[in-house]
Formats: sequence, structure tokens, C-alpha cells
Amino acid sequence: NAGVTQTPKFQVLKTGQSMTLQCAQDMNHEYMSWYRQDPGMGLRLIHYSVGAGITDQGEVPNGYNVSRSTTEDFPLRLLSAAPSQTSVYFCASSYGTSYEQYFGPGTRLTVT
Amino acid sequence: SQKIEQNSEALNIQEGKTATLTCNYTNYSPAYLQWYRQDPGRGPVFLLLIRENEKEKRKERLKVTFDTTLKQSLFHITASQPADSATYLCALAGQAGTALIFGKGTTLSVSS
Repeated sequence: NAGVTQTPKFQVLKTGQSMTLQCAQDMNHEYMSWYRQDPGMGLRLIHYSVGAGITDQGEVPNGYNVSRSTTEDFPLRLLSAAPSQTSVYFCASSYGTSYEQYFGPGTRLTVT
Repeated sequence: SQKIEQNSEALNIQEGKTATLTCNYTNYSPAYLQWYRQDPGRGPVFLLLIRENEKEKRKERLKVTFDTTLKQSLFHITASQPADSATYLCALAGQAGTALIFGKGTTLSVSS
């Protein structure tokens, strides 16, 4: 089991560029989510999915898009990167919110 | 809106003492409450989950209590060790299909 994998580990973007952060899990989990973590702000939920084809917004969804075409993958798209999106991004998966969440190693994104 | 507060951004204790971390919430009736540990540069790791109808749960040196009347959870680490130094996050979820929301965390430092 690879668990939850995230790519890339590090990324530097220029303002206005777009990119996709990849997240995959091999545990057949239905629930997947994306968080961003900034100093002093804790983990803030961006988007989440309770199963393939179903996504919903979290606390801070603006500027991000997601889709869930398969159970395994949950990519996060930055449409037009802004310096305010500089952060560490974590993907997590589980059987549901009543179960433990498994987190990926994170992607550190810098937008200049 | 829903609010989760983890009292104290930082907690310093001596080795061997009991560390007690607090998680308070408002405008929310969670069905589940979870605690995670996060080390620098890494994703959070699950520690314990407690349900709304449970008062207390234990795992080795860890104990969690959940008081839905006070809207509060306490997380205890007994016989603390320097290796327990980390940031501890509480997270809340409603019934199935809702999102998991995190507090900002408390950074625990255990000195020898």
C-alpha cells in the first residue's frame, strides 16, 4: 500500500499560471479532501468529495477547482495562481468522516 | 458560523507531567471528534476518535474526553516524553456526508 500520494512535493508558480496538484490513494476510500495550511491558521478545508462524481466546497474554495472521476484520484486545480495561494497543501482520504483520515506528505506551493 | 478553538497556541511542560490540551467549539453539534498529531514538515497523523455518545476514550498514554454540554474536548498525554513534542490538532465532523473541520492546533513542547 502506497497510502496517499501527492505530487509534486514542491512547486513555484508565477502569478496567473495554472497548475494541478495530484492526489491519489490506493485504499479504496470514498472520502477525499484537500486542505491548505498556513502559519497560525491551522488546516483549512478547500474542497471535499464523498465519492466518485460528488464534490463539495469547504471553507476556502475560491480560486480552486476539483473533480472526482475515479475513487482513487482527487486532483486540485489552481485556475490562475495568486500570491495568496502560497501555502502547504495536504490531501487526505478515509472511509468517511467518522473514520481516521490518512494524509499525504503535502505539496509546498510558492506563488511569486 | 462553525468555530473551533484550541486554547493555547503553545504549551510547555516538563517530562513526566501530564499535558492537557483543550478543544472548544461553537455553532456546531459534531457527531465525531478526532485528534491528530503533526510533526514539522509532515502531514497530520490520526491519534484518537470519540463519538458524541462517548464520554471518554483511552489509548496507551492518551486520553480524550468529550463533553457535548460544555462543547469541549480535553486531550491528555500522561507521563509525557520529549518525543511527544509536536502540534496537536482537533477535528470535528457531523453525520455522514459532512466535512471534517480542523482547529488551529496547539504546539506542545516537553522538556527533559
